[in-house]
Amino acid sequence: GQQVMQIPQYQHVQEGEDFTTYCNSSTTLSNIQWYKQRPGGHPVFLIQLVKSGEVKKQKRLTFQFGEAKKNSSLHITATQTTDVGTYFCAGPMEAAGNKLTFGGGTRVLVKP
Amino acid sequence: EAQVTQNPRYLITVTGKKLTVTCSQNMNHEYMSWYRQDPGLGLRQIYYSMNVEVTDKGDVPEGYKVSRKEKRNFPLILESPSPNQTSLYFCASSLKRGGFYEQFFGPGTRLTVL
Repeated sequence: GQQVMQIPQYQHVQEGEDFTTYCNSSTTLSNIQWYKQRPGGHPVFLIQLVKSGEVKKQKRLTFQFGEAKKNSSLHITATQTTDVGTYFCAGPMEAAGNKLTFGGGTRVLVKP
Repeated sequence: EAQVTQNPRYLITVTGKKLTVTCSQNMNHEYMSWYRQDPGLGLRQIYYSMNVEVTDKGDVPEGYKVSRKEKRNFPLILESPSPNQTSLYFCASSLKRGGFYEQFFGPGTRLTVL
């Protein structure tokens, strides 16, 4: 079936280092959203990308939407302990109407 | 304060005993949905609603029912819960005018079915 995959599933990062998490869809996405869920918390919206090839930055976070609108990435520079959590991508697949499909998430652990 | 509320936050029940998890939002959002979160599976959409009296199945609707009689409320009903419905449930709401917008999530309901 239609699905959204995220890799890696887990990411152990040394504090201060950079890392990237990837989101890949089996079909074209109308747009893509990214969420962060802190341990024990609920998902919180980070950003939405709509245009093919779009790049947006939020401080140390850089989000990119692929040219074909089937993949996206989140790059974090100079990782801090406050970055700990699970990052999810989500998107409405163009053929799936108004359903929202989430990726499995990337769980980020930061080593001080 | 703009928010999505869910009740109860924690629930332990037994197989077959009907239960309802309530969800309410105060942001006048059209779109509401229910998700379940299981380890390694991310968030899976159960049901969603585009507006009052308009509901539709998500990816995992089996064993669940919903209703949308008022714009602010979107209860999730488990008529005959089973152990495989043990999970963390989130309600979410958003604007829905043409495209998709930021989803606001409730605090979650942890359900255990024995």
